[in-house]
Amino acid sequence: GENVEQHPSTLSVQEGDSAVIKCTYSDSASNYFPWYKQELGKRPQLIIDIRSNVGEKKDQRIAVTLNKTAKHFSLHITETQPEDSAVYFCAASHNAGNMLTFGGGTRLMVKP
Amino acid sequence: DTGVSQNPRHKITKRGQNVTFRCDPISEHNRLYWYRQTLGQGPEFLTYFQNEAQLEKSRLLSDRFSAERPKGSFSTLEIQRTEQGDSAMYLCACQGGMTDTQYFGPGTRLTVL
Repeated sequence: GENVEQHPSTLSVQEGDSAVIKCTYSDSASNYFPWYKQELGKRPQLIIDIRSNVGEKKDQRIAVTLNKTAKHFSLHITETQPEDSAVYFCAASHNAGNMLTFGGGTRLMVKP
Repeated sequence: DTGVSQNPRHKITKRGQNVTFRCDPISEHNRLYWYRQTLGQGPEFLTYFQNEAQLEKSRLLSDRFSAERPKGSFSTLEIQRTEQGDSAMYLCACQGGMTDTQYFGPGTRLTVL
């Protein structure tokens, strides 16, 4: 089955700096890659997703890049703000609508 | 608020007891998923339904776990003879319509004493 590895497990940045979180996946058949943000005690919420026919997707301060050959994808957050502090999870699946396999999470701390 | 609700939000039980959780998805979302999340880990897939049909179950899912979605709307997850290792957050998610997004509920936190 699919295995998703996520790094780093914790990331501390200064407000205004950029943050990058990286994930690798094992199953070359995976073609849908969402990113979720989970604040303490809250439910995971989708922040951005990408399909395998696209190499990059951007939404304001958030971008995701995908390298299918290397089987890795990354989340980029620019101009970080204290409210970006949360745990971020990457995930992979065979087609949107199928089960998600999640990475272990990255705790992002943005220091004001 | 994504519209997915779960009840109860918290459940404390003694080892060996049975527990049942309920998930009410966004209406007309035909796919419903159950995940389990332990502290400091990502959600782990348990099972999912398309309408009332249970299409996939994790190999890790013990036979003490059973899920139903009798009318293709709400779903229940039952754990029989609970063990301390069952302590976790149980998350429900749904997906449907024109969106690929899985929307999560607030979860049910289970503590087995």
